[in-house]
Amino acid sequence: DIQMTQSPSSVSASVGDRVTITCRASQGISSWLAWYQQKPGKAPKLLIYAASSLQSGVPSRFSGSGSGTDFTLTISSLQPEDFATYYCQQANSFPPTFGPGTKVDIK
Amino acid sequence: EVQLVESGGGLVKPGGSLRLSCAASGFTFSSYSMNWVRQAPGKGLEWVSSISSSSSYIYYADSVKGRFTISRDNAKNSLYLQMNSLRAEDTAVYYCAREGSNSNYDFDLWGRGTLVTVSS
Repeated sequence: DIQMTQSPSSVSASVGDRVTITCRASQGISSWLAWYQQKPGKAPKLLIYAASSLQSGVPSRFSGSGSGTDFTLTISSLQPEDFATYYCQQANSFPPTFGPGTKVDIK
Repeated sequence: EVQLVESGGGLVKPGGSLRLSCAASGFTFSSYSMNWVRQAPGKGLEWVSSISSSSSYIYYADSVKGRFTISRDNAKNSLYLQMNSLRAEDTAVYYCAREGSNSNYDFDLWGRGTLVTVSS
């Protein structure tokens, strides 16, 4: 199975900050990477698919980049509703596997 | 409205069984592969099982293989997960998730989840 890691595990930030989260796959996955946002008690929400494609309805302050084994999710200007946990997921092969998550909380 | 609604969760003793259901609405259910993804309390996300649109392809995580069975009824717009020989480590919120149409094995629509608790 492909193992996914994320860094940092948590980040404290303020409204308006630029936040970057990194995800690394244990082997190359081309651009088959997705990013999700999850708020407490809620289901995950797809933000980015195919590494850099913005899911319909997701604000443009979210962006993704990378290919192969290294990927990033960037929030260009953090908004109050963005405080949540973010997960990456490799979509290259079965079984789909998720990173351990990065919690973004208020500084 | 496009949505997935899970049901069937609850408290079950170790070794017991439970059947989860997921009702789909607002989209052409029969065109999509569907999945179950779970999340243990305070933990991350774990993919459990996948079924293709016509049930031709079925996959399971090693952790549930031989104990869980995924199925679907396209006439009823419903997805199911039969869970047998349940263990304490199966305790989790179980989400029904639709496989995205624009990409590979990612999930673009999720239900709200149903909690399964395995405890004596």
